[in-house]
Amino acid sequence: EAGVAQSPRYKIIEKRQSVAFWCNPISGHATLYWYQQILGQGPKLLIQFQNNGVVDDSQLPKDRFSAERLKGVDSTLKIQPAKLEDSAVYLCASSLVRRGKVGELFFGEGSRLTVL
Amino acid sequence: QKEVEQNSGPLSVPEGAIASLNCTYSDRGSQSFFWYRQYSGKSPELIMFIYSNGDKEDGRFTAQLNKASQYVSLLIRDSQPSDSATYLCAVDSSYKLIFGSGTRLLVRP
Repeated sequence: EAGVAQSPRYKIIEKRQSVAFWCNPISGHATLYWYQQILGQGPKLLIQFQNNGVVDDSQLPKDRFSAERLKGVDSTLKIQPAKLEDSAVYLCASSLVRRGKVGELFFGEGSRLTVL
Repeated sequence: QKEVEQNSGPLSVPEGAIASLNCTYSDRGSQSFFWYRQYSGKSPELIMFIYSNGDKEDGRFTAQLNKASQYVSLLIRDSQPSDSATYLCAVDSSYKLIFGSGTRLLVRP
């Protein structure tokens, strides 16, 4: 079974530039998550999709971050304009919902962003 | 924002010892609890999940859940140097998975 695919793996940009990350979840996984992990911290949920609908985006900085999941499959996370504090690893994960409970999250390898 | 709290460590144990990692959470409605291991520069990978009060064992790993006290723990028996990593506790809150900041474990040869 193919895992969660993410690209690019690494990206270096200057502040105020834009960047986009792509994620393709495991086939059949209806739930897709984008997490931000700053060095030395745990993953912080940015946005959660169920199929192509948003379940939660309460911690997404909507003035600069946007995300979409067209057709309920792959997803794109965009940052425009980037700030220095956006330097982090952006993790995409997908899961099944098991009997009404949150199921195991499978993570991609992550996209490491450095903002100079 | 519901919280998940972990001691950042590092927790240092000798090889062969039992490592005990703890986590507390604030949402009394949480039903799903996970332990992930994260090696430096890698993505988190699932170690165990637990849904019910009590203990759940899988090989050298035991997860313990006490919903009344709102804590979940992970025991690692016969710790190996390869177990050295950051251990992340994750708890569901209204179908969102909230992670703690992780406990760094060092297993000394």
